[in-house]
Amino acid sequence: DTGVSQNPRHKITKRGQNVTFRCDPISEHNRLYWYRQTLGQGPEFLTYFQNEAQLEKSRLLSDRFSAERPKGSFSTLEIQRTEQGDSAMYLCASSFGRGNTEAFFGQGTRLTVV
Amino acid sequence: QQQVKQSPQSLIVQKGGISIINCAYENTAFDYFPWYQQFPGKGPALLIAIRPDVSEKKEGRFTISFNKSAKQFSLHIMDSQPGDSATYFCAASFAGAGSYQLTFGKGTKLSVIP
Repeated sequence: DTGVSQNPRHKITKRGQNVTFRCDPISEHNRLYWYRQTLGQGPEFLTYFQNEAQLEKSRLLSDRFSAERPKGSFSTLEIQRTEQGDSAMYLCASSFGRGNTEAFFGQGTRLTVV
Repeated sequence: QQQVKQSPQSLIVQKGGISIINCAYENTAFDYFPWYQQFPGKGPALLIAIRPDVSEKKEGRFTISFNKSAKQFSLHIMDSQPGDSATYFCAASFAGAGSYQLTFGKGTKLSVIP
């Protein structure tokens, strides 16, 4: 499968625990995005990487959230001290090139905080 | 502030009928308008996209109509099929945001009944 891969697909955690999600973008895609989607809503932008540089972060991304993309390949999104309000689908997307080009989404990681 | 407003929230169409979903945007800087289709448990997948220099784009049974002066665009699905039952999201982005992040509508749940 050469699409965007996200792991794990599902994660259940207790409030206060830390969780980390992984995204493997399509090979050679220089742009990588994280979005969050709650039930009945469209995806909301969280953060953006161009290669290994994190160039933009949404105000939705509190201090408990951190994302990395070492060497411009895979990316991780960590949530510290999870809260029930963090329960959502976390989507990763990647795209290539300059300008507005098609963003390909992974299947997401569904987080449930109990 | 919701920058992309989508309607209706849900839509039921008979097989063979035309499904129409509408979106309105506020930011006149938007210059790329994609539509995504999402099935339960899956990530969004690009259906069709349009830029504001054209008023209509057609790909197979899917057509985007774009009205720049009204700041509105719509998706028409001709000859709707049960397999089209999914949630559809309109989105918008602009070159000025260097990330080309997507701003999504809240989605329309389409049900095509036999």
